[in-house]
Order: sequence, then structure tokens, then C-alpha cells
Amino acid sequence: EAGVTQSPTHLIKTRGQQATLRCSPISGHTSVYWYQQALGLGLQFLLWYDEGEERNRGNFPPRFSGRQFPNYSSELNVNALELEDSALYLCASSRDRGNSNQPQHFGDGTRLSIL
Amino acid sequence: QKEVEQDPGPLSVPEGAIVSLNCTYSNSAFQYFMWYRQYSRKGPELLMYTYSSGNKEDGRFTAQVDKSSKYISLFIRDSQPSDSATYLCASGSGGYNKLIFGAGTRLAVHP
Repeated sequence: EAGVTQSPTHLIKTRGQQATLRCSPISGHTSVYWYQQALGLGLQFLLWYDEGEERNRGNFPPRFSGRQFPNYSSELNVNALELEDSALYLCASSRDRGNSNQPQHFGDGTRLSIL
Repeated sequence: QKEVEQDPGPLSVPEGAIVSLNCTYSNSAFQYFMWYRQYSRKGPELLMYTYSSGNKEDGRFTAQVDKSSKYISLFIRDSQPSDSATYLCASGSGGYNKLIFGAGTRLAVHP
């Protein structure tokens, strides 16, 4: 069974640009989560999508947005990039929604570097 | 105060040692507890997950939750150099999909 896949592996942008990160969940998983892992800060929850809808959002500005497609894959968009957006962006998926008893499984992330 | 606190380490042990990794949490409503292992330049890999309190064992790994003291532990027996990684604890109250992560503890097991 293929795991969570993310693309691209690395992304280099400059301040003010926009970035799009992509995630394909494990087959059969309907929930997709996005996290930011900045150096020394641990995993910070960004967004949770399930069945195509945004279910929860972390404490990030509106320029962080995303969507989930009918095939359950997902995009994370970051507009007006700032230097502090440089981080590893991790996608995770899980099987059920709501008060799920299924744990999250992570991809290897997209490393976003802002110059 | 962070909701989930974890000593960042680094923790350095000799091969074969028993490793104890610990986290504390502040929210008494937390019922879901997880441990992930993250190698350099990789995503977190699920190690163990438990609901409520008690112990759970899987091979060389034992996860322990003490809800009275709000303490989460991961024990690694017969540690190997391949166990060298960052270990992340996580907990939450609304299911495994609403988790708060600790900052991670770096572990180095030397031959």
C-alpha cells in the first residue's frame, strides 16, 4: 500500500510569491491534514479537510489556504510568502472523519525555502 | 504554558540501553496519545497510539500513560543505532484527528 505522497520535495520561492503544495492520501483515507514544521517549533496544525470540506483550521493567517479534491487529494496554497514561512510542510491522512479512532499517517513533506 | 511539553534533548545513550522518553500535558480532557518517530529529512512515522490510560507494548517499544499526573512515556528496550531519531509525542481530546504535538526529543544511540 502506497503511503502519503507529497510534491514537490523542495520548493524555492521569493518573498511575495505564491506557493502550491500537493498531497495524495493513502488509498481509502478521506481526511487530509496539513502541518507546518519550522526549525525548533515542532508540528503546528494548519488545516484539516474531510470529504472535500475544511473541518478545522489552526492559528495561521488567511493567506494559508487549501482545498480537497473529489479523489481526496489536497493542495495547500500560501500567498504573499514571507521569510518566516520557510519550513517543512507535512501532509497526513487518516481513514475516518469526525471523532476518529484512526491515527494520522504522514508523508515526507515539502521543504519550502523563501529567499 | 504549552499544552504538550517535551524535553528537546538531545539524549545520548549507548547501544543496548533502555531509553525513557517523556512528555507532560496540561489538558485533563486529553484521551488520545500517540508517539511518532521522525528520521532526518523524513516525515513522522507512527510508532504507537493509545486511548485513555495504561500501557501498550509492541516489540521493543512500550507506551505508558499516567492520567493522574498527565505524563506520557515511551520506553525503548535494547536500543539500536537505528533508533536514532526525533521522537514526537502527541495528545488530544477530540479523537486522533485533533492532536497537539510536543516539540520532539532527539535521541542518539551510539555503538
